[in-house]
Amino acid sequence: LAKTTQPISMDSYEGQEVNITCSHNNIATNDYITWYQQFPSQGPRFIIQGYKTKVTNEVASLFIPADRKSSTLSLPRVSLSDTAVYYCLVGDREGGSYIPTFGRGTSLIVHP
Amino acid sequence: DSGVTQTPKHLITATGQRVTLRCSPRSGDLSVYWYQQSLDQGLQFLIQYYNGEERAKGNILERFSAQQFPDLHSELNLSSLELGDSALYFCASSPPGYEAGGPNTQYFGPGTRLTVL
Repeated sequence: LAKTTQPISMDSYEGQEVNITCSHNNIATNDYITWYQQFPSQGPRFIIQGYKTKVTNEVASLFIPADRKSSTLSLPRVSLSDTAVYYCLVGDREGGSYIPTFGRGTSLIVHP
Repeated sequence: DSGVTQTPKHLITATGQRVTLRCSPRSGDLSVYWYQQSLDQGLQFLIQYYNGEERAKGNILERFSAQQFPDLHSELNLSSLELGDSALYFCASSPPGYEAGGPNTQYFGPGTRLTVL
């Protein structure tokens, strides 16, 4: 099964840029990398997704090196409301099915 | 609001009992995934259905079962409940396309909190 490794926790301050790196050494050739954000007692929320190089949307950027064995989620100028758990997800494709394996995620705490 | 709905929001029951959790996917999504999240286990994938058929299985116990109906809503049945089954249960749906090699993007519901006493 595809496995991901992320730091367990990170601390930052309001206004700073936060980079969270995820390792996924055995990612499949045809799989995408997806990041989710989760607040306590809520369902995970899709943030960003990419296959290679760089992807940017209104809330984050995703950097993926050429070997795709890792990815970095970049959150620009974080605020207190960005305090949450962040998961990177890669899946296993087997005959048209998709088996998602979430890691333990990174708990980000943003301080005033 | 992701567009995925789950009922009930909270459920309190006793050991040995049976409960049914319900999920309605986003309009147009054919896949439904079920997850269990407990404090010590993180987000665990249980099972996936695609257009009414079981497509993938994860760490789902034999006491648990699921189905997806013709209108695409899904139900997760949990039986012979134990204290350790207390957790948040999420369903997610995803649009078609990943079967052809596209990305898999999941939209999660608000969850059902199950407490087994």
